[in-house]
Amino acid sequence: DAMVIQNPRYQVTQFGKPVTLSCSQTLNHNVMYWYQQKSSQAPKLLFHYYDKDFNNEADTPDNFQSRRPNTSFCFLDIRSPGLGDAAMYLCATSRVGGVEPQHFGDGTRLSIL
Amino acid sequence: QKEVEQNSGPLSVPEGAIASLNCTYSDRGSQSFFWYRQYSGKSPELIMSIYSNGDKEDGRFTAQLNKASQYVSLLIRDSQPSDSATYLCAVRGKTGYALNFGKGTSLLVTP
Repeated sequence: DAMVIQNPRYQVTQFGKPVTLSCSQTLNHNVMYWYQQKSSQAPKLLFHYYDKDFNNEADTPDNFQSRRPNTSFCFLDIRSPGLGDAAMYLCATSRVGGVEPQHFGDGTRLSIL
Repeated sequence: QKEVEQNSGPLSVPEGAIASLNCTYSDRGSQSFFWYRQYSGKSPELIMSIYSNGDKEDGRFTAQLNKASQYVSLLIRDSQPSDSATYLCAVRGKTGYALNFGKGTSLLVTP
């Protein structure tokens, strides 16, 4: 089945130690998104790619970076994680078009020690 | 700021009843609307999408859209305990690809 796959499902890192989360898709969608979701809150868009065009949300901290080396893969890099960065990180994909829904991966739960 | 508002709940309904979930949005130019279900600790799962005024039915789910009132709702008929989850309303504006999510309504279906 075509899908969005996130690895790892659970990630524990130390305060200030860089961490990378990965996302891959077999849907061949043009657009890939990274969201941060904290408990009882709405998913918060961090950035998205339309093909190789990178779009950063205005309030996304500089600590968060992303790479999309090809259509299938997208990475979220957190350069110096703080305690406030503990959250569920969701990757989503969609085709281009106003009516196209987003399809989510299972998410990565990030804990900071 | 384009906002999507939902009552956080919890909304409690007995098994077999109709659950009604509501969502309002501020961007009058919004063009597409989605309902996602999210179980605790899991990722959002698409339930329904709607783009035109009126009702759209899919099994036990009905989405209703009223663009004049900037209002979208989700009805769940014959609610089951397995429907207990948080339901996220998501709205896409006139331009761009990103969705604006509401905070979600927690639904509890009691046996």
